[in-house]
Formats: sequence, structure tokens, C-alpha cells
Amino acid sequence: QKEVEQDPGPLSVPEGAIVSLNCTYSNSAFQYFMWYRQYSRKGPELLMYTYSSGNKEDGRFTAQVDKSSKYISLFIRDSQPSDSATYLCAISRSNDYKLSFGAGTTVTVRA
Amino acid sequence: DAGVIQSPRHEVTEMGQEVTLRCKPISGHDYLFWYRQTMMRGLELLIYFNNNVPIDDSGMPEDRFSAKMPNASFSTLKIQPSEPRDSAVYFCASSSGGQETQYFGPGTRLLVL
Repeated sequence: QKEVEQDPGPLSVPEGAIVSLNCTYSNSAFQYFMWYRQYSRKGPELLMYTYSSGNKEDGRFTAQVDKSSKYISLFIRDSQPSDSATYLCAISRSNDYKLSFGAGTTVTVRA
Repeated sequence: DAGVIQSPRHEVTEMGQEVTLRCKPISGHDYLFWYRQTMMRGLELLIYFNNNVPIDDSGMPEDRFSAKMPNASFSTLKIQPSEPRDSAVYFCASSSGGQETQYFGPGTRLLVL
């Protein structure tokens, strides 16, 4: 079983819609939760990270963590065509620099 | 800052040849990571260094793979001999100490024929 599971999609939404992305993980030892965005033929770039359960907002992006359910989410409000990319969740243990990545969900926002 | 620099950006080689991938981390970053990305296996950590010392190489798939970091501004990932199943995009990333803030390079696309 993989440490983190993510539906690869693809996901296609109209411009302005809310995009909802999810990952589940298997081990409660994971304490750090990150979302990366990867444009086609580029390296991943960090979007958001959080250490605790609850919500964290950054502009149009909201990261949500539910440690009791081992479930993490990323919401993109008012989606734009420029948000079209692959979104990868990543998790790590405390004081451990090894990141485990989800498979990535490919999102297309249609103009 | 120029970000993480990787070379070459593309590499096509024949099975059995030696391949060397290069990485220059962001200046001042003391952690360096090598990842491999494939459609089948996604993004996997191969090895990471702290202050030029390898800390965890448990992700290195076989003895054919080796990585070095002779100084704070340069690292190499070598595959010898290369095999078709090594075809992937190899990323280098660096960090200044926050495990959550790894900055990735543009990657090297390797095709082994």
C-alpha cells in the first residue's frame, strides 16, 4: 500500500468553478502536509504547507487537513485557465526530510 | 536567484552507456534532494544530502545508481550502466532547512534506448 493515495483524475472544470482535490494517507506519524503544483514539462513548485488539522488559506487556495481521518484537501476558488496543471500532495514525518508524494491530479480549467 | 539549475535538460543515450546528471542548488541551501518521476511510479525520492553528506539513499534503486556532492554548489547523479527502465525525468531540489519548502529544478528528461 502506498503511503499516500491521490486520484490522478483528470479533472476538467469551467472557469470560475471551485476545484476540489484530495489525498488520503495511511500512517498517523505523518505530520507535515504540502501541496505542489506542476505545470507541463516543469518542476513541481510548492503551493502551500501546513502542520496541523484545520484550514489554511492563501488567496484563492485553501488547504485542509483532517488528521483523524487521515485526509487532506486543496480547494481552488474562482479557478482560472492558468490553474491548469498537475497538483501533487506530499506528506512527511516530523524531522524527516523524506517527502512521499501522491500520484498527482491533472486539472484543466476551461475558458 | 537563478533557482536550482540542472543539466543537461534532455539526454538520449543507448543502453549500457554511462549517464551523469548535474545539479546546482540554490546558494545557501544546505539540503539537496534527487527525485525521479515516471508515469508508473510518480515522484520518488532517490537520495538526499545535508551539508554535502548523504543522509538517506534508501530510494536509490540499484547499485547502478550513485550520487555525489563534492561541494555545497554541485551534485551529480550517475547511472552506470544505463537501462531502458531508467528512462524518466530526474529532478534535483534544494532546501534551506525547512522540510516543507523544497525548491525543484526544471528536471532532466532521460531516455535510454
